[in-house]
Amino acid sequence: GAVVSQHPSRVICKSGTSVKIECRSLDFQATTMFWYRQFPKQSLMLMATSNEGSKATYEQGVEKDKFLINHASLTLSTLTVTSAHPEDSSFYICSAYRRVGVAEAFFGQGTRLTVV
Amino acid sequence: AQKITQTQPGMFVQEKEAVTLDCTYDTSDPSYGLFWYKQPSSGEMIFLIYQGSYDQQNATEGRYSLNFQKARKSANLVISASQLGDSAMYFCAMREGSSNTGKLIFGQGTTLQVKP
Repeated sequence: GAVVSQHPSRVICKSGTSVKIECRSLDFQATTMFWYRQFPKQSLMLMATSNEGSKATYEQGVEKDKFLINHASLTLSTLTVTSAHPEDSSFYICSAYRRVGVAEAFFGQGTRLTVV
Repeated sequence: AQKITQTQPGMFVQEKEAVTLDCTYDTSDPSYGLFWYKQPSSGEMIFLIYQGSYDQQNATEGRYSLNFQKARKSANLVISASQLGDSAMYFCAMREGSSNTGKLIFGQGTTLQVKP
């Protein structure tokens, strides 16, 4: 199956700083990537759709100035959490779209962000 | 309105027995796809099985089968011969429409614990 790599897997940052998370499709080109947020024992909530070469589409209630998304190439999308606060601590996971058989969304390993 | 509903927050099953994880969905779109993912404690999302709305037969993939009841709008996952490694969180997800973007809406998840 297709491989999506997400980096870093874990990050601890100080309150007020910014953190960048990378999502790479290693063996295919992904025109569309998705960013999800997940709190412990809860569902994945879609934050935004990242489109290569254009602005991201954010879901209702997600602050686009706080969660900056850049999809500069067909294999890389980045999520930057700006001026992070403890309430931003969460598990962030990306997925990239590629049709392989019936599977469509391939997920990265996720990033556990802790803001102290 | 909740589009994907998983009513079982947690389930227990004895090793080697079968277990059914429930999923109901709501959509007015005649074309949709239903997915099941497994999320172990490491956080990665593992694709298990897919059912298309126009598929005549229930999907099967090894020990996984999907009990698709279209009229009831349910897509329950059946895991046969449970193994200890099946202990994880399981998510049902839906893709609406025929648009090939990989955008998924997830249910709340069910935590499965397999007992030895």
